[in-house]
Amino acid sequence: DAKTTQPPSMDCAEGRAANLPCNHSTISGNEYVYWYRQIHSQGPQYIIHGLKNNETNEMASLIITEDRKSSTLILPHATLRDTAVYYCIVRVAGNTGKLIFGQGTTLQVKP
Amino acid sequence: DTGVSQNPRHKITKRGQNVTFRCDPISEHNRLYWYRQTLGQGPEFLTYFQNEAQLEKSRLLSDRFSAERPKGSFSTLEIQRTEQGDSAMYLCASSLEGNPNYGYTFGSGTRLTVV
Repeated sequence: DAKTTQPPSMDCAEGRAANLPCNHSTISGNEYVYWYRQIHSQGPQYIIHGLKNNETNEMASLIITEDRKSSTLILPHATLRDTAVYYCIVRVAGNTGKLIFGQGTTLQVKP
Repeated sequence: DTGVSQNPRHKITKRGQNVTFRCDPISEHNRLYWYRQTLGQGPEFLTYFQNEAQLEKSRLLSDRFSAERPKGSFSTLEIQRTEQGDSAMYLCASSLEGNPNYGYTFGSGTRLTVV
């Protein structure tokens, strides 16, 4: 599975959009981009995933660049409860073996 | 379904003692994973099962660690002769094989402190 690069930390004002970037320049054509988040003292939580089209669900939107070398997770109206570590992971679809976590981005939502 | 359940939530043990953790996955999930997480780091893969078969083990899983999933349902992770370096959060996750649109579901973890 390809490696990802994320900024170690970001701040966001409550109610504003949080845009979390991820670089995955070595991604292969059959690899999906997955996002998970981990709120303090809990297990990671699945947020969203995509291949090449932009995706949206009730939690977030995922924007993948045309060359697929980077992506952005968007939390449209961040709340204090969105304060967490966000992990970007790339892996082959249907390959339900291990997820490889990096150190992620710590998002601090401030009032 | 209440999700992935892990017990106990916290465990404090003396160095040299054995400990066992339990994970109950989502009932229809056939894959079960164990991860370890130390402070400030992302979760590190330890091992995973498909039904009762243990399909992969990380090099992190030393001889003192053993995991079982005897009937393809719940799983246990045992650490023998614990060391202070074993102090960490131990996470369990489950998934349904072959469904690319289905993410992993993690439990809340067992926090182990070795004193």
